Amino acid sequence: DAGVTQSPTHLIKTRGQQVTLRCSPKSGHDTVSWYQQALGQGPQFIFQYYEEEERQRGNFPDRFSGHQFPNYSSELNVNALLLGDSALYLCASSLGVLAGYQETQYFGPGTRLLVL
Amino acid sequence: KNEVEQSPQNLTAQEGEFITINCSYSVGISALHWLQQHPGGGIVSLFMLSSGKKKHGRLIATINIQEKHSSLHITASHPRDSAVYICAVQFSYSGGGADGLTFGKGTHLIIQP
Repeated sequence: DAGVTQSPTHLIKTRGQQVTLRCSPKSGHDTVSWYQQALGQGPQFIFQYYEEEERQRGNFPDRFSGHQFPNYSSELNVNALLLGDSALYLCASSLGVLAGYQETQYFGPGTRLLVL
Repeated sequence: KNEVEQSPQNLTAQEGEFITINCSYSVGISALHWLQQHPGGGIVSLFMLSSGKKKHGRLIATINIQEKHSSLHITASHPRDSAVYICAVQFSYSGGGADGLTFGKGTHLIIQP
């Protein structure tokens, strides 16, 4: 079991550019959540995908968008990059279950994005 | 506003000491997670709690739903326990499934030999 994988591990972009980050969930998981972690801060929830749809979204602008594929892998896209988008982007996978039962989220190693 | 507060922010202790990290939250939750993050970013899930107490090796996590408070304890601490420990909660949500987490800012723990 490869666990949650993310690519690339590091990325450098300039302001105004667009970036795509990728996440493959842990085998058997169908739900992917994305988080942004600024230096020295705790992660912040961006959005979550389940059954190829965005289920929940945190307080992030529309420049942040995503997609989930039929194999449950997911992409995070950020348009018109700002300096403040520099952060570690974490992906977590879990198994979407019926209401009332919670599942542990498994985290990937993250993609470190630097915007110059 | 749904908030998660952790204390202390920084903690330095000697090897062998008993460590306690605290987490409090503002409103009802469906689950609370304790996570460990090492330099470089990788996050490992240590515990997920909705009530009571869980133990794994030298780690113990407790939660008091009425007081909206959880603690993570490390017994016989070791330098390899040095990491950032993060409390994260899933606020009550009627839609079910595994929902987005709200994180505390983390506790930076250093265990000196």
